[in-house]
Amino acid sequence: ILNVEQSPQSLHVQEGDSTNFTCSFPSSNFYALHWYRWETAKSPEALFVMTLNGDEKKKGRISATLNTKEGYSYLYIKGSQPEDSATYLCAYWGLYGGSQGNLIFGKGTKLSVKP
Amino acid sequence: DTGVSQDPRHKITKRGQNVTFRCDPISEHNRLYWYRQTLGQGPEFLTYFQNEAQLEKSRLLSDRFSAERPKGSFSTLEIQRTEQGDSAMYLCASKESGSYNSPLHFGNGTRLTVT
Repeated sequence: ILNVEQSPQSLHVQEGDSTNFTCSFPSSNFYALHWYRWETAKSPEALFVMTLNGDEKKKGRISATLNTKEGYSYLYIKGSQPEDSATYLCAYWGLYGGSQGNLIFGKGTKLSVKP
Repeated sequence: DTGVSQDPRHKITKRGQNVTFRCDPISEHNRLYWYRQTLGQGPEFLTYFQNEAQLEKSRLLSDRFSAERPKGSFSTLEIQRTEQGDSAMYLCASKESGSYNSPLHFGNGTRLTVT
């Protein structure tokens, strides 16, 4: 059974704090790692798709890094704002059990940013 | 791009009843996925389509679940003889290709409550 683990499960920070979360995934047969943000009452929205070891991606105050050899990715938020409050999901796309067509999601990290 | 739409947003049903959900993907997307999310868990893969062909179905999925995408456009997910354990958020997503580096575009989901 493939496991995609995210930590922490939840995080409460003050506005202006910088924060980071971890996603760990199988390092073998790796194809891609996706990050999504899911705000309450909305649909999950793609943040990054990362494929290469050492990849770093940035979108505004949010950035992500990827280490495929050891099987982890970090998501960083600089200067958190209340609108960053959401659940952040990572998902692994790999070759497993003959399947090549879908993503395996972690349980997510729920971020709450207090004004 | 009108986004992925799902109908209904909420469904309350009694145990033993059948329910059907609909998903309209982004029109030019040929891949369509169904996921299920329960409290505290990440989205769990159910099945996916390439155009009208159902290419993969989760081995964990009960025979009471069936999905169709008859003309390669919208899709339906039917649950027969619902059980309380079927209560969850059912998410539909589409993507423009089978490539691992294109992101999923999600709908807002259908929340099913089985009483």
